[in-house]
Order: sequence, then structure tokens, then C-alpha cells
Amino acid sequence: DTAVSQTPKYLVTQMGNDKSIKCEQNLGHDTMYWYKQDSKKFLKIMFSYNNKELIINETVPNRFSPKSPDKAHLNLHINSLELGDSAVYFCASSQGHPGQDLILGYTFGSGTRLTVV
Amino acid sequence: KNEVEQSPQNLTAQEGEFITINCSYSVGISALHWLQQHPGGGIVSLFMLSSGKKKHGRLIATINIQEKHSSLHITASHPRDSAVYICAIIQGAQKLVFGQGTRLTINP
Repeated sequence: DTAVSQTPKYLVTQMGNDKSIKCEQNLGHDTMYWYKQDSKKFLKIMFSYNNKELIINETVPNRFSPKSPDKAHLNLHINSLELGDSAVYFCASSQGHPGQDLILGYTFGSGTRLTVV
Repeated sequence: KNEVEQSPQNLTAQEGEFITINCSYSVGISALHWLQQHPGGGIVSLFMLSSGKKKHGRLIATINIQEKHSSLHITASHPRDSAVYICAIIQGAQKLVFGQGTRLTINP
């Protein structure tokens, strides 16, 4: 059983489209994250949710909107896709979150490669 | 200038060598995170530490909060250790900043 699963693994879409990437974790963790890795392999955190509450919201365009229907899911919706959105997006989860004394079990999904053409 | 700097950016060594990867940062942190990204792209969390030293198998991570510096050591390195190693600083509850990564290649 995959601990943190993202779908789709690959996504090719045209500029201007709206797309979603789904993430689910079956580890019972209370915190989930979205990261973006650009073409230079530089990782950057985008969002973090703890028990469905947004706790990290880095400066990303408003076109990116995370949605957490429950603590096992954190989906990423992107409106009006642009060429610069092309990247690999990683979901992750942990028990505990930045700011707490203890964070355990940090686990990453396998990534979603988004290509905007 | 990034708040997190890793060195070296690239490191090639022979199997069995002792490896050290460094991470320096310029701001106050609550913890530091070491990650490993495999050639296939998957990311694994190695250590999260806020003081002292942690060990897991052949991997050792140390941090010196006063000097704003952390090191990741690999003993008896093996070709399967070849990966990109990334450090990230955690600032309170709100911010994570990543280093640019160190690409490690271990030759048999």
C-alpha cells in the first residue's frame, strides 16, 4: 500500500486550462504539504494543512488553491495554467507540523510532473 | 543570496569513502530537515533535528545552532547512496526554506 499517493503521475495540458492534482495519505498523519520543484531542481514549499486547517501559505499565485476535504486528503487545484507552472509537484505528510516540538514520519509522494504547453 | 547554502554542490567519491555534506543558514530556526532525492525523483526524509546529533544506519546528522551549521555524514559510502541531498530550515510554524541540494555520486 502506497503511504502517500498522488494522481496523476504525469499531466500535460494547454495554457489556460484548469487542472487538479490529488493527494491521499493512509498513514494517519495530521499534516499534509504541497511542494513545487522547478526545472533547476529547487524545492519550495507551497502550502501546509494541519487537520484541515491551512498553516503555511507561501507566496504563490491565487491561481493555486489547496483543498483539504479531510485530514487524509490535500488536493491542489490550479486555474488558468501558465507555462511557468511546469514543474514537479510533491505532496507530503507528517505527524506534527513545523512549529510543534516534534514532527514524525515525514513521507513524500512520488511526485506529479506537470507540463504546460 | 539564499538563506540556506549547501556545500559542495557536487561531490564524487569512491565506494567506502566517508562523506560529509554541509548546510549553513543565516537565520534563526526551530529545526533543520535533511532529505534525499533519488535519481528517479522520489524524495525521502532522512532526519529532522533541532540540536545535537542523530544517527540512522550509516547516516549521521549533526547540528550546531550557535554556528548555524549542520552536516550530514555517510560512513562506508555505497553506490546506492548516490542521490541529491537537500537540507531545509524550518522557521517557526510558517516557513520552510530549502538549500539547492548536493549531488552525490559514489563510484564502485
